[in-house]
Amino acid sequence: KQEVTQIPAALSVPEGENLVLNCSFTDSAIYNLQWFRQDPGKGLTSLLLIQSSQREQTSGRLNASLDKSSGRSTLYIAASQPGDSATYLCAVGDSNYQLIWGAGTKLIIKP
Amino acid sequence: EAGVTQSPTHLIKTRGQQATLRCSPISGHTSVYWYQQALGLGLQFLLWYDEGEERNRGNFPPRFSGRQFPNYSSELNVNALELEDSALYLCASSGGTNQPQHFGDGTRLSIL
Repeated sequence: KQEVTQIPAALSVPEGENLVLNCSFTDSAIYNLQWFRQDPGKGLTSLLLIQSSQREQTSGRLNASLDKSSGRSTLYIAASQPGDSATYLCAVGDSNYQLIWGAGTKLIIKP
Repeated sequence: EAGVTQSPTHLIKTRGQQATLRCSPISGHTSVYWYQQALGLGLQFLLWYDEGEERNRGNFPPRFSGRQFPNYSSELNVNALELEDSALYLCASSGGTNQPQHFGDGTRLSIL
């Protein structure tokens, strides 16, 4: 059974810092991996999707990597801003196209 | 382009009642997914519909059901409501199984 873990559960950093959020999964037979952000009381915003055949994806200040063999993905945020404060969720897509979710990392960027 | 829309925003019910939640996908998306986000439990996959058919179902009892209409909109029905059904219910749509899922803002269901 696929399990997805996100570490740390919470992170607080000063504005301007580069930071890395981690996601690990137990079964390397994944279809894809997505990173989302969720603002309080809101739905989810898709940030990046990495297909199983890809190693990384970039969008603006965000870069996500995927290492299936080690069961890990990282989300790199460059030059963090207060508007980046949110909960970041990692979700692994399995062969049934079902997303298995991590519990999220709550990120606070201090001005 | 309009995003995924869900209605109602909030829904208050009592135990034993039935709830209906609605979702309109992004235009052109044929797949609709439903998730439950209960406090302290994280996101749990509920149902996946594509082209009007139920394609996959999460580990939820049969009183959670739904359907997808010819215009690809969807509704989630929850019968015999229980207190633990209180949660944020999120709907997502995608243009294919290898495409990102885009989420609505959710329906917050409260059971009194």
